[in-house]
Amino acid sequence: AQTVTQSQPEMSVQEAETVTLSCTYDTSESDYYLFWYKQPPSRQMILVIRQEAYKQQNATENRFSVNFQKAAKSFSLKISDSQLGDAAMYFCAYRSASGGSNYKLTFGKGTLLTVNP
Amino acid sequence: GAVVSQHPSRVICKSGTSVKIECRSLDFQATTMFWYRQFPKQSLMLMATSNEGSKATYEQGVEKDKFLINHASLTLSTLTVTSAHPEDSSFYICSAVGTSGGWRETQYFGPGTRLLVL
Repeated sequence: AQTVTQSQPEMSVQEAETVTLSCTYDTSESDYYLFWYKQPPSRQMILVIRQEAYKQQNATENRFSVNFQKAAKSFSLKISDSQLGDAAMYFCAYRSASGGSNYKLTFGKGTLLTVNP
Repeated sequence: GAVVSQHPSRVICKSGTSVKIECRSLDFQATTMFWYRQFPKQSLMLMATSNEGSKATYEQGVEKDKFLINHASLTLSTLTVTSAHPEDSSFYICSAVGTSGGWRETQYFGPGTRLLVL
């Protein structure tokens, strides 16, 4: 079974600075998807960014980018120019690309990000 | 796009009553929907996978007779907590997977329902 590990329960960053959240995963599959979701205090889960394992290029969405290291099974999230609204719980998630997965996600335990003004 | 709604957002009920929570995909069709439970400061715990037109698949340890799931259409799934008890109090979240275009293969989440059983 796949596992997702977020080794940082909490992180903090100064407004306008850059922060990197770590995520590692364990799988024997070669084709899969990785996601970062954000859960602010409202508790609405919001998709931040997604990466297909077959793509070598790291995904980028505005101030959010990932460092995807397939061999190391690492998928870190970099937030540039941090804003107060970035304060949230961030979850890393894995999804198999096989048809039998039924789109199920495996989540990490989350990293609580605090942004200091 | 890719909006998922949940209703109600909050519900308080008496012990022994049943509560129904609706999950709708508003701008896309979803053959697969998921129901999660989340305890404070914890990750999401998958309860069941709901496929349109078929019986839900429950995760180990989840009582299917207590948490009834119906996925009657491509845009609606419901979770009914039967004979609710205080230990069922929690935050319930649904998600839906898009079936076409840019929404494929990504889970989009509803805003959640906070259930309090007195």
